[in-house]
Amino acid sequence: DIQMTQSPSSLSASVGDRVTITCRASQSISSSLNWYQQKPGRAPKLLIFAASSLQSGVPSRFSGSGSGTDFTLTISSLQPEDFATYYCQQSYSMRTFGQGTKVEIK
Amino acid sequence: QITLKESGPTLVKPTQTLTLTCTFSGFSLSTSGVSVGWIRQPPGKALEWLALIYWDDDKRYSPSLKSRLTITKDTSKNQVVLTMTNMDPVDTATYYCAHTAGILNGAMDHWGQGTLVIVSS
Repeated sequence: DIQMTQSPSSLSASVGDRVTITCRASQSISSSLNWYQQKPGRAPKLLIFAASSLQSGVPSRFSGSGSGTDFTLTISSLQPEDFATYYCQQSYSMRTFGQGTKVEIK
Repeated sequence: QITLKESGPTLVKPTQTLTLTCTFSGFSLSTSGVSVGWIRQPPGKALEWLALIYWDDDKRYSPSLKSRLTITKDTSKNQVVLTMTNMDPVDTATYYCAHTAGILNGAMDHWGQGTLVIVSS
């Protein structure tokens, strides 16, 4: 099984900050890595697919990078609506989610 | 416009079998590359992938739950059904179904609202 590890598990940031979340796979997954945003009581929302492709309708302040085992989600300038939990998910073999990163207001 | 909606019992007893139905619109599960998956989330915890079924009836299951899960589709009804046997209180969670198009590298671009399942005697 492929395990996904996100770091940090939570972070505090201010509006306008640049935020980076890391996801590491237990083995190489090429570029088969996707990122989701989830707000309380809501279903997850796809942000990035194939490691770096921005899903339609998602603001350009979100970006993804990486390949192999190490991946990054970056929010270039944090907005009030971005406070949420973020999950990575591999689709190389079966599907696995990371444990989530909660982005809180500082 | 793609929509998905989960339905099923809110309360099940331990050892019972859970049957959940995902009813969708806006796409066909006979279109090449399309799949529908199930994901769950215990209260306050992370997402956990359970199973998915492809347009060609190929199926994939979470290795840790494979013995308890069955996923099927009814293309004519636009439905995907997940059954989970031998339910336990640790299976209490919100259960989601989600759509994936072949071009999205396995990413789930449309999700249902989720349905809460409580396992308790």
